[in-house]
Amino acid sequence: AQSVTQPDIHITVSEGASLELRCNYSYGATPYLFWYVQSPGQGLQLLLKYFSGDTLVQGIKGFEAEFKRSQSSFNLRKPSVHWSDAAEYFCAVVRNRDDKIIFGKGTRLHILP
Amino acid sequence: DGGITQSPKYLFRKEGQNVTLSCEQNLNHDAMYWYRQDPGQGLRLIYYSQIVNDFQKGDIAEGYSVSREKKESFPLTVTSAQKNPTAFYLCASSKNSGAFFGQGTRLTVV
Repeated sequence: AQSVTQPDIHITVSEGASLELRCNYSYGATPYLFWYVQSPGQGLQLLLKYFSGDTLVQGIKGFEAEFKRSQSSFNLRKPSVHWSDAAEYFCAVVRNRDDKIIFGKGTRLHILP
Repeated sequence: DGGITQSPKYLFRKEGQNVTLSCEQNLNHDAMYWYRQDPGQGLRLIYYSQIVNDFQKGDIAEGYSVSREKKESFPLTVTSAQKNPTAFYLCASSKNSGAFFGQGTRLTVV
């Protein structure tokens, strides 16, 4: 069965520092990959997605993610975080476009002033 | 504007009562999903539907029921058989380009 692992439950970075959130998936073929962000008490907002092609994808709010097939990873990055980036981040995979979406358990990002 | 709407935002029910959470989308999406979110558990899939009049159980379907009579609507009923129904419930819809989520319903059973 396919699965998604986000190894870090909490991450704390200083405002202005760079950020990398890790995501690993378990699936034989290349799935469709997503990153979402959730503010407290809100729904999830799509940050970016990877279907095929260029392995470095750009998203909203200055985020990017890189797909690495050899490592089965899809890590999310941002060069310089802002206090408003404090939220929970979810990685998700879909086996194909008609299949169910599987989420990781999330990483909560804390920002130090 | 197109979007996905969940109602109500907050819901309180007495133990033993069934309750129905509403989810409506006007995005013309084929697939719709219900997730349950508990602290530290991430999102767990309850039910999903890829087409009208058809739906599949997710990982934690016990104690829940759904219907998909219209493409736009995918209501979730939390029945009295659900042992621990207090949670945050999220509805989503998708069509090839990733899922779009509603703002969630926080259900509290007292």
